Amino acid sequence: DAGITQSPRHKVTETGTPVTLRCHQTENHRYMYWYRQDPGHGLRLIHYSYGVKDTDKGEVSDGYSVSRSKTEDFLLTLESATSSQTSVYFCATEGEGNEQFFGPGTRLTVL
Amino acid sequence: GDSVTQMEGPVTLSEEAFLTINCTYTATGYPSLFWYVQYPGEGLQLLLKATKADDKGSNKGFEATYRKETTSFHLEKGSVQVSDSAVYFCALRPGNFNKFYFGSGTKLNVKP
Repeated sequence: DAGITQSPRHKVTETGTPVTLRCHQTENHRYMYWYRQDPGHGLRLIHYSYGVKDTDKGEVSDGYSVSRSKTEDFLLTLESATSSQTSVYFCATEGEGNEQFFGPGTRLTVL
Repeated sequence: GDSVTQMEGPVTLSEEAFLTINCTYTATGYPSLFWYVQYPGEGLQLLLKATKADDKGSNKGFEATYRKETTSFHLEKGSVQVSDSAVYFCALRPGNFNKFYFGSGTKLNVKP
C-alpha cells in the first residue's frame, strides 16, 4: 500500500456550498490523481498532478479545481457543489512500477 | 484514442467454477496493462499487471496474459471462491503518458 488517506470519508452538503476533499500520501510519489466513480461510468479522471504546483485537467474537470502545494497533499475543490457532483471520489498515486495506488474514497452527497 | 473495453456484468458463478472476464484495449505504442479489484466500500487494489507483449501477470490464483495480436488481457481463475466476489477493473497505461484508462468494471458474484 502507498499509504494514501482521504478526508473526509463521508460528507453531506448542500447545493451551492464549497467543498474541499483532501488526499495525503506518505510515499513521496510524484504523480497524483483525482477520480470520480459513478454507476455505469467506471472511473473518470477529474484532475491530475505531476509535481508540486503542476496540475492538468482530466476528462471531467468542469466544476472542479485542484491544488498541490506539497508533494504529499493533493486537494480537490468543488467551488459551488451541484447535485451532479454526488459521487464517490478516489485519490490515487503512481508508484515506481507505473501502477496506481488508490485511497479508500470519499462519499460525497450534494442535496 | 486509448481505451479499454471489458465485458459487462454481473457475472454469477458457483464456488469452484472457472472464471474468465474479457478485456480488450485500443492503444498506440506499447501500453502496460493492469487488473484491479474493488471490494464493497473500499478503493481499488492492484491485482496483477503486465508490461509487455506475452507477459503473464499472476496473483492469488488469478492470471492474465498480454496478447498484442488480439489486443486482449483477459482475467482468468481456475476455481473461484465466495471471497472473490468483487468488482474487477481492467486498465491501460500508455507507454509514454502518465494517465490510466479504466474499463467500466465487471461485478463478480460467487455463490456457495
